Amino acid sequence: AQSVTQLDSHVSVSEGTPVLLRCNYSSSYSPSLFWYVQHPNKGLQLLLKYTSAATLVKGINGFEAEFKKSETSFHLTKPSAHMSDAAEYFCVVSEYGNKLVFGAGTILRVKS
Amino acid sequence: EAGVAQSPRYKIIEKRQSVAFWCNPISGHATLYWYQQILGQGPKLLIQFQNNGVVDDSQLPKDRFSAERLKGVDSTLKIQPAKLEDSAVYLCASSLVGEARYLNTEAFFGQGTRLTVV
Repeated sequence: AQSVTQLDSHVSVSEGTPVLLRCNYSSSYSPSLFWYVQHPNKGLQLLLKYTSAATLVKGINGFEAEFKKSETSFHLTKPSAHMSDAAEYFCVVSEYGNKLVFGAGTILRVKS
Repeated sequence: EAGVAQSPRYKIIEKRQSVAFWCNPISGHATLYWYQQILGQGPKLLIQFQNNGVVDDSQLPKDRFSAERLKGVDSTLKIQPAKLEDSAVYLCASSLVGEARYLNTEAFFGQGTRLTVV
């Protein structure tokens, strides 16, 4: 059965500095992986997805993630944080049958 | 395109009362999900439909929760009777995938229904 571990429940960065949100997964098959963002009182929005094509995936708003099978990781990065990036981020794994399993989430705080 | 529509946005009920949530997925999306998101936790899958059939309801507390998807389009989720621990945001999502062998297109989420049980 698939599972997701987000290694940090909270991350705090200064505006203009890099962002790193860490995610490890467990899957019996070749998974698809997603990052979603949730702003307060808003719905979940897809940032990017990996579906067995290029291992470096680019998403919206300057975010990207790299799939590393040997490390079972799918960390989310952004070179320079913006105040508007403050939100909760979820790493999601999906296997055959399209069942989506969410991690516990990482709250990103951006300081001015 | 129109997104996933959910109603109501907010609901406050007393314990032991019943409540129902409604979801209208994106037109043409075969897969529909209901998730429960308790404060401070990631969303947990309650039930997954493909067209009007149930794919996975292993985490649905069937003694009090029920869900249906009539004609493979709209869906309702019901809780009867509600407990205090049911306080959460209930998220509906849909995805295009029509057959299980086609992997993993992304899911689109509604804004959710925030349920408070007092």
